[in-house]
Amino acid sequence: DAKTTQPPSMDCAEGRAANLPCNHSTISGNEYVYWYRQIHSQGPQYIIHGLKNNETNEMASLIITEDRKSSTLILPHATLRDTAVYYCIVIPNFGNEKLTFGTGTRLTIIP
Amino acid sequence: DTAVSQTPKYLVTQMGNDKSIKCEQNLGHDTMYWYKQDSKKFLKIMFSYNNKELIINETVPNRFSPKSPDKAHLNLHINSLELGDSAVYFCASSQGGATLGYTFGSGTRLTVV
Repeated sequence: DAKTTQPPSMDCAEGRAANLPCNHSTISGNEYVYWYRQIHSQGPQYIIHGLKNNETNEMASLIITEDRKSSTLILPHATLRDTAVYYCIVIPNFGNEKLTFGTGTRLTIIP
Repeated sequence: DTAVSQTPKYLVTQMGNDKSIKCEQNLGHDTMYWYKQDSKKFLKIMFSYNNKELIINETVPNRFSPKSPDKAHLNLHINSLELGDSAVYFCASSQGGATLGYTFGSGTRLTVV
């Protein structure tokens, strides 16, 4: 699995957009970028994933740079319930690959 | 309806005991996993099973024995519990490769005293 680098913590004001960066400079051509989050004491929750195009769903948007060496997860209107640890993971798309979690970014939404 | 359910949610036991944690998924997924989250909050994979067959075993002590009676269930049995086994254990499932995402259970907090 390619290594990812994320800032250890970030704050964001409630109602503003939260932009969480991730570096994955050694990503391979067949590897996807996945984002999960873990709200305190709960199991990790899938947010979004992408290969090279930008993606959007009801939870978030994912912006992947053209060289695919970094990405940004965007929570458009952060709420207090978005306070969590966010994990950026790269993983090949074949078989049932294990997820390797790093230390993630602890996002705190400020009222 | 809970997609991935684990029981019990909390488990407190003494050193040396044997205990089991059960996991069931109703998503029709063909692969199930056990992850361990220690006190430092690192999440690490322990095992994965695909259609009842072990496919990943991440150098977990052989006191840990996963059992998959069918593809909807993956139980974790732990023998001779040690203090260092205290952690939160998460079960997860996936289907057809990583692109379809993983679904995690809510975790079992094991405390060994």
